[in-house]
Amino acid sequence: DTGVSQDPRHKITKRGQNVTFRCDPISEHNRLYWYRQTLGQGPEFLTYFQNEAQLEKSRLLSDRFSAERPKGSFSTLEIQRTEQGDSAMYLCASSSKQGKPYEQYFGPGTRLTVT
Amino acid sequence: KNQVEQSPQSLIILEGKNCTLQCNYTVSPFSNLRWYKQDTGRGPVSLTIMTFSENTKSNGRYTATLDADTKQSSLHITASQLSDSASYICVVSRLNSGYALNFGKGTSLLVTP
Repeated sequence: DTGVSQDPRHKITKRGQNVTFRCDPISEHNRLYWYRQTLGQGPEFLTYFQNEAQLEKSRLLSDRFSAERPKGSFSTLEIQRTEQGDSAMYLCASSSKQGKPYEQYFGPGTRLTVT
Repeated sequence: KNQVEQSPQSLIILEGKNCTLQCNYTVSPFSNLRWYKQDTGRGPVSLTIMTFSENTKSNGRYTATLDADTKQSSLHITASQLSDSASYICVVSRLNSGYALNFGKGTSLLVTP
């Protein structure tokens, strides 16, 4: 499978714990995006990487959230001191500067439940 | 206020029937508009992408239209199938800001036998 993959698919954690999600983009895609989607809503943009550089962060990305893409390939999204309001689906997408520059390919998402 | 509004919020149709979903947007300056299909618990999958100069684009039984003057788009599904049951999300990109997509809340479509 050469699509975007995310791990884990589901995560249940207690309030106050830290969690980390991983995203592996499509090979050779230099752009990577993180989104958050709550029930009944469309995805909301969190952050964007071009190669290893984090070029944009949404105001939604509080100081408890940090994202990295150390080698310009996979990315991690960490949430510290989780709160119940963090419960959501976290989606990762990637795109290439070649071919269809507008096309973002989404992964299956990581569903986070904070109890 | 959301810059991308979709209607209806939900829709139930019989298998084999056609339906049309609507999207109105205020995003400016406009770059492109996309329709995504999202199955429950999965990531969105792109159906169509239209730029300013395109007013219609088809992908199998899905046909999207765009009126950039009135800032409206529609997604028409022909001869619906049970597998069309999903959320359909309209997404608008602002010029020179292609990475920050503006998502609608989606229309939840249920196709029944």
